Amino acid sequence: DTGVSQDPRHKITKRGQNVTFRCDPISEHNRLYWYRQTLGQGPEFLTYFQNEAQLEKSRLLSDRFSAERPKGSFSTLEIQRTEQGDSAMYLCASSLRAGSTDTQYFGPGTRLTVL
Amino acid sequence: QKEVEQNSGPLSVPEGAIASLNCTYSDRVSQSFFWYRQYSGKSPELIMSIYSNGDKEDGRFTAQLNKASQYVSLLIRDSQPSDSATYLCAVNADTDKLIFGTGTRLQVFP
Repeated sequence: DTGVSQDPRHKITKRGQNVTFRCDPISEHNRLYWYRQTLGQGPEFLTYFQNEAQLEKSRLLSDRFSAERPKGSFSTLEIQRTEQGDSAMYLCASSLRAGSTDTQYFGPGTRLTVL
Repeated sequence: QKEVEQNSGPLSVPEGAIASLNCTYSDRVSQSFFWYRQYSGKSPELIMSIYSNGDKEDGRFTAQLNKASQYVSLLIRDSQPSDSATYLCAVNADTDKLIFGTGTRLQVFP
């Protein structure tokens, strides 16, 4: 069990640029979640997948954000035309849905700074 | 109204004492409750999960759940300076996403 991994760990970009983050879940976990966390706040849900299907998207997720999980393995989160307000830590979590329990384990996060 | 509320702290306790962290939630259909620890600049790390009313113990940690009062707490016994971190309460309601509180910052001083 190698844990959830995310790449890159840090990203600095200029306003208006596109960025893409990758998340590799714990192997055999069928669910993958994306959250965003800003300073002093708890993580906020963005979207999640069960296998390759995207089951829910937050109202926070504007049309500049898109996420994919092809083949139900790794996932990517793309932000187009970045804005300074997008600066945050982007967290990925994975879980193995078993009955009514769904314990999520987080990756190290990708810290995005938009200049 | 926030869905999950925590006192932001800081909560300061001396080494060896019991730290008590509290959380209330608004959605009565909430089924699963989690405590995560987050060190500064790091990602959340799962400490405890609890699903049924009562206490659940794991080492120095005890989670307590009272669904009638919509209250969940975390007790840390024999607190150590290495326990100094932000503790996030998270609730899973009828959807599968986690709703987090803003976290309580714990400081354990020698």
